[in-house]
Amino acid sequence: NAGVTQTPKFQVLKTGQSMTLQCAQDMNHEYMSWYRQDPGMGLRLIHYSVGAGITDQGEVPNGYNVSRSTTEDFPLRLLSAAPSQTSVYFCASSYLTTSGRASGANVLTFGAGSRLTVL
Amino acid sequence: AQSVTQPDIHITVSEGASLELRCNYSYGATPYLFWYVQSPGQGLQLLLKYFSGDTLVQGIKGFEAEFKRSQSSFNLRKPSVHWSDAAEYFCAFYDYKLSFGAGTTVTVRA
Repeated sequence: NAGVTQTPKFQVLKTGQSMTLQCAQDMNHEYMSWYRQDPGMGLRLIHYSVGAGITDQGEVPNGYNVSRSTTEDFPLRLLSAAPSQTSVYFCASSYLTTSGRASGANVLTFGAGSRLTVL
Repeated sequence: AQSVTQPDIHITVSEGASLELRCNYSYGATPYLFWYVQSPGQGLQLLLKYFSGDTLVQGIKGFEAEFKRSQSSFNLRKPSVHWSDAAEYFCAFYDYKLSFGAGTTVTVRA
């Protein structure tokens, strides 16, 4: 059971380049999300999804796109990388409960992280 | 706005001593609260969670947390720290999305 797999683990980009961070989970989780982690700021939610074909913005969505064509995959796209996007990115997933407010409150399983440097 | 605050950026504790990490929340109703731990170079792992009921919550690795509504707090404790507890600890709050505090780094000295 692989859990949540993120690739690549490390990436260096030049300003203006595009790239995709991949996230895949094999637990049949409905809920998937992307966070970025910066020193002194904890983890901030970029985008999330509650199922295939459904995505929504988090706290810091600007400069990032996502799609959810399958339950398993939730790629994060940087269309034109900027130095401000230098960060460690985490993908996380969970089951959803049936109760409205509790949806998404189940335990998140995190990937190991992807360290991105934009020069 | 609903949020969690971790007042301590860095704590140093001796091995075998007790540890308490502070977390304060701002929310009108009963919040869903979590503590996660991140070891160096790793992703995050859930230590414990509070949804409702008993205000003293037991977690993994010997950690516990107490929900105190009157103080808007959800502090994490461990009676005797091991060197392997050196990590970054995050308090998190859920209200349709999971929001994290800024984290507290714990250093354990021999």
